[in-house]
Amino acid sequence: DAGVTQSPTHLIKTRGQQVTLRCSPKSGHDTVSWYQQALGQGPQFIFQYYEEEERQRGNFPDRFSGHQFPNYSSELNVNALLLGDSALYLCASSFDLGDYGYTFGSGTRLTVV
Amino acid sequence: LAKTTQPISMDSYEGQEVNITCSHNNIATNDYITWYQQFPSQGPRFIIQGYKTKVTNEVASLFIPADRKSSTLSLPRVSLSDTAVYYCLVGDMGRTGRRALTFGSGTRLQVQP
Repeated sequence: DAGVTQSPTHLIKTRGQQVTLRCSPKSGHDTVSWYQQALGQGPQFIFQYYEEEERQRGNFPDRFSGHQFPNYSSELNVNALLLGDSALYLCASSFDLGDYGYTFGSGTRLTVV
Repeated sequence: LAKTTQPISMDSYEGQEVNITCSHNNIATNDYITWYQQFPSQGPRFIIQGYKTKVTNEVASLFIPADRKSSTLSLPRVSLSDTAVYYCLVGDMGRTGRRALTFGSGTRLQVQP
């Protein structure tokens, strides 16, 4: 049973560009959350999707947007990249009534130059 | 969510027991205490969750005093592979997998041979 799959694993972009990161949740999970983790810091919540809608959002600008597809997979889009967007982007899947059953992927390492 | 305080780093040797304490003075009645482990370039992994007294699983034990204002994660007989960052999270995370997780900076545990 595959866990959470994220792609790509590494990415290098130039300031001002746009990027799309992808996440496939663990089988049986219907909720996807995205986190940003800067070097040496804990993960910070970006937003959460279930039933194909954004349900919760952390303190991130509108440059960060997302989407969830009918098969529960999700994309994170970041526009007008800044150097400060360089981080590890983590996807976590879960399901309602799942208690503490959050499963994280290994992340996408984004470097903005 | 209740704010947590934990040591920035800890050092230990293989075979020793490691205890990491987390302070959460403002914990609410409905809050659970959850610990995650994160290896470099990987997503966090759930270790253990508790509400009061003691919880034990195959990986760790969690000790919670009666006032619940602190908790201690105990790792028995650590090995080199336990070198990781450990996060203490406090929040109303029971019975749903749709809560945004709030991570602090965690405790960096370094296990030496």
